[in-house]
Amino acid sequence: NAGVTQTPKFRVLKTGQSMTLLCAQDMNHEYMYWYRQDPGMGLRLIHYSVGEGTTAKGEVPDGYNVSRLKKQNFLLGLESAAPSQTSVYFCASSKTLGGETQYFGPGTRLLVL
Amino acid sequence: KQEVTQIPAALSVPEGENLVLNCSFTDSAIYNLQWFRQDPGKGLTSLLLIQSSQREQTSGRLNASLDKSSGRSTLYIAASQPGDSATYLCAVRSNAGNMLTFGGGTRLMVKP
Repeated sequence: NAGVTQTPKFRVLKTGQSMTLLCAQDMNHEYMYWYRQDPGMGLRLIHYSVGEGTTAKGEVPDGYNVSRLKKQNFLLGLESAAPSQTSVYFCASSKTLGGETQYFGPGTRLLVL
Repeated sequence: KQEVTQIPAALSVPEGENLVLNCSFTDSAIYNLQWFRQDPGKGLTSLLLIQSSQREQTSGRLNASLDKSSGRSTLYIAASQPGDSATYLCAVRSNAGNMLTFGGGTRLMVKP
């Protein structure tokens, strides 16, 4: 039981390049989330999903797109990376939407030059 | 809009001290509040979750309290150890919306 895994662990991009971050969970959770964490700030929700085939915007969705084609996977895409998207990205999943804890992946560190 | 603040941003204490970390939130209409631990380069691990109807939760040397009316929560760590060194984050789930709102965290260092 690996929990929540994220790929890649670290990536450097040039401005304007695109990439996809992959999140996978093996706990059969319905709900999945993408956050970003910037220095001195808490985590901020980018997008989330309440089930396979559904996605919704969080607090800071601009510049990102997501897809949940399979229940166990949640993909975060950057179509045209900008330096402001330099951050650490965390994926999380949960069994319920509010009453229980979220389980977090180890994070992906992204540097956009 | 819910805002969550954690004070202090950093704290250094000698081993064995009892300590309190503070979390405040602006909207008292919350569903629950969680405390997380984050080790350098790692993800978050949930420590304690307090439902809005509860006043406190305990796990080992950790005790978290919740005062909704004043918009405050505290995390009490008894007999601190070097292994407690980490960043501690609190997060609030408001009644409105499906999002967790996180504080900026308190970076704790426990010196041997």
